[in-house]
Amino acid sequence: SQTIHQWPATLVQPVGSPLSLECTVEGTSNPNLYWYRQAAGRGLQLLFYSVGIGQISSEVPQNLSASRPQDRQFILSSKKLLLSDSGFYLCAWSTVSTDTQYFGPGTRLTVL
Amino acid sequence: KNEVEQSPQNLTAQEGEFITINCSYSVGISALHWLQQHPGGGIVSLFMLSSGKKKHGRLIATINIQEKHSSLHITASHPRDSAVYICAVRGNQFYFGTGTSLTVIP
Repeated sequence: SQTIHQWPATLVQPVGSPLSLECTVEGTSNPNLYWYRQAAGRGLQLLFYSVGIGQISSEVPQNLSASRPQDRQFILSSKKLLLSDSGFYLCAWSTVSTDTQYFGPGTRLTVL
Repeated sequence: KNEVEQSPQNLTAQEGEFITINCSYSVGISALHWLQQHPGGGIVSLFMLSSGKKKHGRLIATINIQEKHSSLHITASHPRDSAVYICAVRGNQFYFGTGTSLTVIP
């Protein structure tokens, strides 16, 4: 069966520090991968999606970047965090043939 | 203006009640999703619809493509149904509603 992992579960970082969140998927090959952010009191926002290794599409301009160094690994990064980067970050995957997305447990990021 | 609007924003029900959550959208879509987000933040995909109706246990989702509207129904609601329910549509990109917070009281 397929599983998706995210870590860390929670993170508190100072403004200006770097960020690296990791997401890995098991039990499937060539998944579509997604990074979402949910800011406090707001809906989900799609940040990045990837249809293959090294292929990243950005939905909104921002302080963050994403990379996919391996087929089932998706990394969200920032060189310098802003206060506005605080939120709940969710990774998700789907198969190429269907839109149904399966979400990871999320990382709650607080930037102070 | 949001591409996806949900109503109500908050809903409190007694255990056993029939619940309806509505979703309207303004863009052309290939699919509509209903998601459930638990208090801890975890999200589960409940349904993906492109037409008609789907049923999983006590949950029923319907979509009317012409009216650009979908409903999520919960029959015989239970406290464990308490969660935020999110409607999302796939157009040229994903659009998400802000969610409906449901509390079911024993």
